[in-house]
Amino acid sequence: QKEVEQDPGPLSVPEGAIVSLNCTYSNSAFQYFMWYRQYSRKGPELLMYTYSSGNKEDGRFTAQVDKSSKYISLFIRDSQPSDSATYLCAMSDQRTSGTYKYIFGTGTRLKVLA
Amino acid sequence: KAGVTQTPRYLIKTRGQQVTLSCSPISGHRSVSWYQQTPGQGLQFLFEYFSETQRNKGNFPGRFSGRQFSNSRSEMNVSTLELGDSALYLCASSSGGRDTEAFFGQGTRLTVV
Repeated sequence: QKEVEQDPGPLSVPEGAIVSLNCTYSNSAFQYFMWYRQYSRKGPELLMYTYSSGNKEDGRFTAQVDKSSKYISLFIRDSQPSDSATYLCAMSDQRTSGTYKYIFGTGTRLKVLA
Repeated sequence: KAGVTQTPRYLIKTRGQQVTLSCSPISGHRSVSWYQQTPGQGLQFLFEYFSETQRNKGNFPGRFSGRQFSNSRSEMNVSTLELGDSALYLCASSSGGRDTEAFFGQGTRLTVV
């Protein structure tokens, strides 16, 4: 079993829809949770960064972390064709050394149809 | 503020050769991490350098090595290339302290033929 599981999709939604992207994980030591967006042939771009449990909102994006269920989500409101990309979740445990060994999900491919 | 710069963007090498990739982090950042991205395995952690010292290492063979210079620029070397080393190699830059984010470069796409 992988440490981080993410549905690869593809997920196709109409423009304006609310998109829900999810990851589950097995390591209870993870405390830092990130969502990255990656366009084809580009590097991942950081969208959201959260620590421990709770919600964080930034514009059309909301990140949720439920540590009790080992489940994180990214919601995209009013989705646009420009949101079409692969979304990667990543997480890490930096308690001890502060090192940046991120564990990534395999990514969910999202397509927003105009 | 300039982002993370990786060079070259594309490389084609032959099996058995070696290759060196370069990463210049964001100014002021002292931590550089390297990842390999393939369609089958996704993003996998190679190693992280902070202040010229390797702080963490992933599960890759010794053919994969790296180093960091005093200006925080980092290089990654792969020796005796194999076909399976074909991938997008990404470097991530961060300040290196706790509770800070990592920012990725555009990557170097390595093709081994």
